[in-house]
Amino acid sequence: QSVLTQPPSASGTPGQRVTFSCSGSSSNIGSNPVSWYQQLPGTAPKLLIYTNNQRPSGVPDRFSGSRSGTSASLAISGLQSEDEADYYCAAWDDSLNGVVFGGGTKLTVL
Amino acid sequence: QLQLQESGPGLVRPSETLSLTCTVSGGSISSTRYYWGWIRQPPGKGLEWIGSIYYSGSPYYNPSLKSRVTISVDTSTNQFSLKLSSVTAADTAVYYCARLTGDSTFDYWGQGTLVTVSS
Repeated sequence: QSVLTQPPSASGTPGQRVTFSCSGSSSNIGSNPVSWYQQLPGTAPKLLIYTNNQRPSGVPDRFSGSRSGTSASLAISGLQSEDEADYYCAAWDDSLNGVVFGGGTKLTVL
Repeated sequence: QLQLQESGPGLVRPSETLSLTCTVSGGSISSTRYYWGWIRQPPGKGLEWIGSIYYSGSPYYNPSLKSRVTISVDTSTNQFSLKLSSVTAADTAVYYCARLTGDSTFDYWGQGTLVTVSS
């Protein structure tokens, strides 16, 4: 059972816009910045979004993040087949005194 | 370009200690801006933070693993290490090392190494 809650799966068709949710509490998302990671099959996770809505250099602007209260969201616009991957959210938790991850959402591009 | 590389045995016997090392290249582990961390991922499951350490020491651990985990750093070799004692099959996972920024973001990751706990 992960501290941050993500839906286990999502799907979309090429060109579509999809969003992923990440639900937490006042001790994590409610008071600390959120990051998002993309994990392609058989590879290490890659940083996609940091500090709620910032993109590292090289990440396309099709990817965007937001935070509101104790929840965060990741959106992908102009969906492409290569976006098929697992997506994880993470944040610091003041109660646990450590980093917590969501359980991940598996994106299928139909 | 910063690179991290995990190394260590791929097979550990139950009840023994898992030991991994992460070698950092292309940057200094002694940077005052970053922490260094370990994350694991059991087969087919999600990510779990194990613990992190600053270059000068002061590790902090996932409470669920704290009694069995030791993370240390060696600035002379630009490496940091993980020891997990009394392992069971539940500790079988891909273990990743990563750099941790001030806002708890893992911005650079190693490729990961699979450790299997089995007799």
